[in-house]
Amino acid sequence: EPEVTQTPSHQVTQMGQEVILRCVPISNHLYFYWYRQILGQKVEFLVSFYNNEISEKSEIFDDQFSVERPDGSNFTLKIRSTKLEDSAMYFCASNKDGFDFYEQYFGPGTRLTVT
Amino acid sequence: GQSLEQPSEVTAVEGAIVQINCTYQTSGFYGLSWYQQHDGGAPTFLSYNALDGLEETGRFSSFLSRSDSYGYLLLQELQMKDSASYFCAVSGSYQKVTFGIGTKLQVIP
Repeated sequence: EPEVTQTPSHQVTQMGQEVILRCVPISNHLYFYWYRQILGQKVEFLVSFYNNEISEKSEIFDDQFSVERPDGSNFTLKIRSTKLEDSAMYFCASNKDGFDFYEQYFGPGTRLTVT
Repeated sequence: GQSLEQPSEVTAVEGAIVQINCTYQTSGFYGLSWYQQHDGGAPTFLSYNALDGLEETGRFSSFLSRSDSYGYLLLQELQMKDSASYFCAVSGSYQKVTFGIGTKLQVIP
């Protein structure tokens, strides 16, 4: 069964450093998302992406964040200058088309630790 | 914006039925989803309601009342493996899903 994959599984970085989190969505999916989950808290929407453009973003997704689909398979989240409060699990998700927007397939997540 | 409320914890006995409630406030509404998340795992889609009424998928059912801004997830014949967090999530637009805080379900023998 196709699945969303994410790399790395765990990333440790120093405050102020840039990080890139990588995701490979399911191959025939067209809509891509990033979420974050601080330990023990709810899943928070960051951004949605379709047709090589950001569709929606939350207030969390400020100028320090950017997303890119550099090729036909990868979808990346970049944090330019990490802060301690960026420490969280970051999930990538995708779905096939706009009609099943509610059924999102999540990857296993990348745990980001900022020290 | 969107906000959702659900109980933080629920405990139920193996084999029993449990209902997890969710109320929401949203400026736009396309539907209410439910996701399951085991500790350390990714959220997994369970069910979705766009219209009022009950949707059944095996042991899981989900209900929605749009007029009451209320929904619930019903889990029947509880199994130990159902111990997990359950999130209700509202779709206020086609490309944004807002999750609740999650309900941690503990199934006990």
